[in-house]
Amino acid sequence: GESVGLHLPTLSVQEGDNSIINCAYSNSASDYFIWYKQESGKGPQFIIDIRSNMDKRQGQRVTVLLNKTVKHLSLQIAATQPGDSAVYFCAEGPGRDDKIIFGKGTRLHILP
Amino acid sequence: DAGITQSPRHKVTETGTPVTLRCHQTENHRYMYWYRQDPGHGLRLIHYSYGVKDTDKGEVSDGYSVSRSKTEDFLLTLESATSSQTSVYFCAISESGQIYGYTFGSGTRLTVV
Repeated sequence: GESVGLHLPTLSVQEGDNSIINCAYSNSASDYFIWYKQESGKGPQFIIDIRSNMDKRQGQRVTVLLNKTVKHLSLQIAATQPGDSAVYFCAEGPGRDDKIIFGKGTRLHILP
Repeated sequence: DAGITQSPRHKVTETGTPVTLRCHQTENHRYMYWYRQDPGHGLRLIHYSYGVKDTDKGEVSDGYSVSRSKTEDFLLTLESATSSQTSVYFCAISESGQIYGYTFGSGTRLTVV
């Protein structure tokens, strides 16, 4: 797997349970947020996004919550499956010079 | 990853040697980016391009150069590789340059010994 994951916080969840992954973002002026999933040996993949004028958005088995007051973003995965095992990280923008700022990520480990 | 290919996928090189990584896209997107991914850090932008022959530096550009002579290819060159450049390198493409719509390649793992 990618060595980048070795230094990440890990969340262990029982298969079938719900997972909640958190992210604190840095820029109160950010108006768009994305959650990415990165499986071992692969590039980041878009999961779900949310704009700053919303506080909740739902996708298929995933929900993103945004709390602008405390600059906090969370990703909820319902009925966690083995295929959800990956590193998840948030991104905010526009960042400096209109570039994205990426979070460091959380490794989600699924227990059988 | 559909539409974007990085090569090589893995490379081991010696300190002081030049190295070139290639990113190739078939999406005809205007914007292309090179990131590095290291333990304890989020993805960090090295260089980006907003058109053929139009490039600019990111936050960690020292020791790297880029070239884009065609829409589909974006090359990242380490002129004289150092151990601190051991990393996983990702290319990304974007049609609009906005935060939404980034597509990432599968990465190149570079080890400098």
